[in-house]
Amino acid sequence: GNSVTQMEGPVTLSEEAFLTINCTYTATGYPSLFWYVQYPGEGLQLLLKATKADDKGSIKGFEATYRKETTSFHLEKGSVQVSDSAVYFCALRERGQNFVFGPGTRLSVLP
Amino acid sequence: GAGVSQSPSNKVTEKGKDVELRCDPISGHTALYWYRQSLGQGLEFLIYFQGNSAPDKSGLPSDRFSAERTGGSVSTLTIQRTQQEDSAVYLCASSSATGELYEQYFGPGTRLTVT
Repeated sequence: GNSVTQMEGPVTLSEEAFLTINCTYTATGYPSLFWYVQYPGEGLQLLLKATKADDKGSIKGFEATYRKETTSFHLEKGSVQVSDSAVYFCALRERGQNFVFGPGTRLSVLP
Repeated sequence: GAGVSQSPSNKVTEKGKDVELRCDPISGHTALYWYRQSLGQGLEFLIYFQGNSAPDKSGLPSDRFSAERTGGSVSTLTIQRTQQEDSAVYLCASSSATGELYEQYFGPGTRLTVT
């Protein structure tokens, strides 16, 4: 079946450091890929998404590129802020099938 | 527009009691999901409704758990004879099967505490 693997956390960075959270997936077809974020005390919300190979999702400095050849969708940000501290979930969905979420990676950014 | 709503936001119950958790999805969304998130853990899939198809119940942890979706809209997750290990945040999400990217929209969750 389909699955999503994320790097284990927690990840602790200083403000303005470069962030990478690795995500790889296993799927039988051609899934859409997502990053969701859960800020402390809040619900999950979509951060970015990509639907096909080489698509790049980006928002507020976060980026992730759909790499079919490596079945990856790594999340990156060039300069993190304290306000980026949250749990990040990588997820996939194939048409007509269920969403599959990774276990989440907790990011803590220190001032 | 209105997002996914869940009620109650918090529920404290005694071990052995039954509880019902409610989810109102975004209007027009045909897909509805229930997840469980235990403290410090990731999302655990519970059940998935898609239109009029039979639900995917493969994630329900035991026969104490059940869910219904009436009229293709509101859903109720029922936990019978609650146990302490049922304590968690229960999240509901909805999705448009016809949406371009099929993203899920999450509700705020119901925090269940079994004492």
